[in-house]
This record gives sequence, C-alpha cells and structure tokens, in this order.
Amino acid sequence: GAVVSQHPSRVICKSGTSVKIECRSLDFQATTMFWYRQFPKQSLMLMATSNEGSKATYEQGVEKDKFLINHASLTLSTLTVTSAHPEDSSFYICSAPRPTWGGYTFGSGTRLTVV
Amino acid sequence: QKEVEQNSGPLSVPEGAIASLNCTYSDRVSQSFFWYRQYSGKSPELIMSIYSNGDKEDGRFTAQLNKASQYVSLLIRDSQPSDSATYLCAVSAILYNNNDMRFGAGTRLTVKP
Repeated sequence: GAVVSQHPSRVICKSGTSVKIECRSLDFQATTMFWYRQFPKQSLMLMATSNEGSKATYEQGVEKDKFLINHASLTLSTLTVTSAHPEDSSFYICSAPRPTWGGYTFGSGTRLTVV
Repeated sequence: QKEVEQNSGPLSVPEGAIASLNCTYSDRVSQSFFWYRQYSGKSPELIMSIYSNGDKEDGRFTAQLNKASQYVSLLIRDSQPSDSATYLCAVSAILYNNNDMRFGAGTRLTVKP
C-alpha cells in the first residue's frame, strides 16, 4: 500500500518550453506532497511542499514562478517547470507521508533533460 | 551544523562482510528514524524504521538507535553486491507525524564481489 505514481519517468524538452510532472497517490489520500530535486551523485534537495487546497511552500532559493506547484485534489500534485533551461536538467522526485506512521513513500522520479 | 549527518563515503566492503552505516542528528527531541536505500537513477525506498532505543532486526538489516548519543546506525549482514546503493538516514522530530522529516545526504555503499 501507499503507492505514489509519478509521470513521466523521463522527458527531454527544448530550452524555453514548459514541462509538467504529475504525482498521484493511488491507494491513499495525500494531503501533503514534497517535491525534491537531485543532481547526479548529490543528495535530495527539498524544493517545495504542496498542501491540498492551499499554496505551496517553497524552500529558500527556489523560484516559485519557475516551479509551479498545484495540489488541486487529495490524490494529485503537479510540478510544472516553466521556461526550462539546461541548468534545470535534473532528477525530480515527489514523496508523500504514508497514511499510517512510517516515513514517506516516493514516486519513481522524473529524469528531465533540457536541450 | 547539519541536522542529519552521514559520512558520504564511499564505503566499500567485500561480499559477505558486515556493512555499518552511521548517522547522527542534532535535534534532541527527534522521535522517528528511518533508513532509505536509493539505487543509482532510482528514487529512495524505505527499508527500516526505528522509534525506540536499542536494536531492530529485519532479515539481514539491523537498525540501532541511541537517543542519548543522538545516533542511529544500519548494519547490513552478509552484504551482497545488490546492496550497493546510497543509504539515506531520515529523522523526524514528532512521533507519528510524517510532515517534518529531515534527510541526511546519504552514504554510498559499494559491495565488491
């Protein structure tokens, strides 16, 4: 149980375009979703926390206008990378607290490459 | 000082040996502790959780918690090449509250055949 489905798993886009990443909780309601970015051989970096029905909370240094987060329902949170540039190329991962105590469950991640 | 600290490694052990991964944390009120495994190019997966002082065993994995010394460790017995991954320590200040977890940077483990 407690599965988060993340799509797409891999995307290549042109510089200047926007990319949307979706995370769905399949068998539980996720009132909170965390969005991370991870560069090769580096640690997870928390970008923002989304809460269903309210504005996302962004970590310091993360541009809210560039990384648009929407959490419109209890089972879906989306991250849109707007006007993507090569430096946005990274591994993006979502996670949600498990419905019972026991840490987080992670999506499978999205490998974004901006060319 | 980082909230959750891990030796980045790489830690290299021969196949069949015991791998010992350590994690220290700064917040004395931390209540919940987790170990995640992350294979290269994949997302983290939960392998162990521990809430009370002492040892907790699950198969080849043993988590050890010492709240007085503020450290948590993970032992992997009979290490296999398939255990080669980055291991993330995570700490939460509130028991049963999943919304405030802090991750360490991870320790990269290599198990050599």
